Amino acid sequence: QSALTQPPSVSGSPGQSVTISCTGTSSDVGSYNRVSWYQQPPGTAPKLMIYEVSNRPSGVPDRFSGSKSGNTASLTISGLQAEDEADYYCSSYTSSSTHVVFGGGTKLTVL
Amino acid sequence: EVQLVESGGGLVQPGRSLRLSCAASGFTFDDYAMHWVRQAPGKGLEWVSGISWNSGSIGYADSVKGRFTISRDNAKNSLYLQMNSLRAEDTALYYCAKARYFDWLDSSLDYWGQGTLVTVSS
Repeated sequence: QSALTQPPSVSGSPGQSVTISCTGTSSDVGSYNRVSWYQQPPGTAPKLMIYEVSNRPSGVPDRFSGSKSGNTASLTISGLQAEDEADYYCSSYTSSSTHVVFGGGTKLTVL
Repeated sequence: EVQLVESGGGLVQPGRSLRLSCAASGFTFDDYAMHWVRQAPGKGLEWVSGISWNSGSIGYADSVKGRFTISRDNAKNSLYLQMNSLRAEDTALYYCAKARYFDWLDSSLDYWGQGTLVTVSS
């Protein structure tokens, strides 16, 4: 069982918006702004999409946005495109001895 | 262009050792922390270990603590993972990843290699 909880799957039609949640605890998401989101299309390496809760690296479309409320972080993808279909993972620093935790991943299907 | 190329994976028997390497190029290697992250077949991502820019600070996941050792050679732009006492549950694709900052405790990983597969089986 992953330390951060994500829904196994979400889906949306092209042009719609979807939100993926990432629920942790006061030991990780709730206490630190070191939440990242990664996109992993099938058979490829992960790609950083959001860092420090809501910051986008250069080259990531502004359709991708991140936020946090309490122990839950969220990734919102607006204006869905077919190329957004992938697995998405959140991660966070944690004060536990494991230091860094990932969510179990969410499969995004573009209908 | 940032490139991270892992090597050293393969089939190994339980209890044996393996050393992974990651050759980095396209950035100033000794300015950044580096990490290893693994992904078991069909499963999610699991953080393994991180090391600061000057090797002064290191961290491990509980699942590998005492068995794996991370190291780096800044003169060779290389990252390593020495894996001892390997178990079947260590079977995974091992990714080398670059951190955004010098401190490994900042775990935002902005570049990833393509991974090297480690299979632990008798």
